[in-house]
Amino acid sequence: GENVEQHPSTLSVQEGDSAVIKCTYSDSASNYFPWYKQELGKRPQLIIDIRSNVGEKKDQRIAVTLNKTAKHFSLHITETQPEDSAVYFCAASVGGGYQKVTFGIGTKLQVIP
Amino acid sequence: GAVVSQHPSWVICKSGTSVKIECRSLDFQATTMFWYRQFPKQSLMLMATSNEGSKATYEQGVEKDKFLINHASLTLSTLTVTSAHPEDSSFYICSATRWGGETQYFGPGTRLLVL
Repeated sequence: GENVEQHPSTLSVQEGDSAVIKCTYSDSASNYFPWYKQELGKRPQLIIDIRSNVGEKKDQRIAVTLNKTAKHFSLHITETQPEDSAVYFCAASVGGGYQKVTFGIGTKLQVIP
Repeated sequence: GAVVSQHPSWVICKSGTSVKIECRSLDFQATTMFWYRQFPKQSLMLMATSNEGSKATYEQGVEKDKFLINHASLTLSTLTVTSAHPEDSSFYICSATRWGGETQYFGPGTRLLVL
């Protein structure tokens, strides 16, 4: 089955700096890669997703890149703000979110004011 | 749109009792619902996938007789933890997808504590 590895497990950045979280996946058939943000004690919220026919996608301060050949994808957050502090999960799926989604271990991001 | 609710939000029960958790899609029809378990500071581990009107598909290592899943309608799925034990204490989260949709919308989770 699919295996998603994520790093780093924790990340501290100064407010205004950029943060990068990297993930790799094992199943070359995976074609849908969502990223979720989970604040303490709350539900995961989708922040951005990308399909395998796209190399990069951007939404304001958040961008995701995908390298199908290397089977890795990354989340980039620019101009970080304290409210960006949360746990971020990458995930991979074959066929889309209505199919089984395998999550990474999560990255705890702390933005220091 | 795309709101998913769970009930109860937390539950404390005695060892050996059964606990039922409901997951509802409030403003859309959910063809597929997923049940996850999340231990503190860990990732979401998929327990099972349920499609309306059919039997749930359980992940390897998840006991289907212990974690009963029913998806009786397009807006409701239930997870029953039978004969709960302290090791079943965890955060249980459901998610749902629309027909033809890609995004999984998560419920707020249910925190279960078995004494």
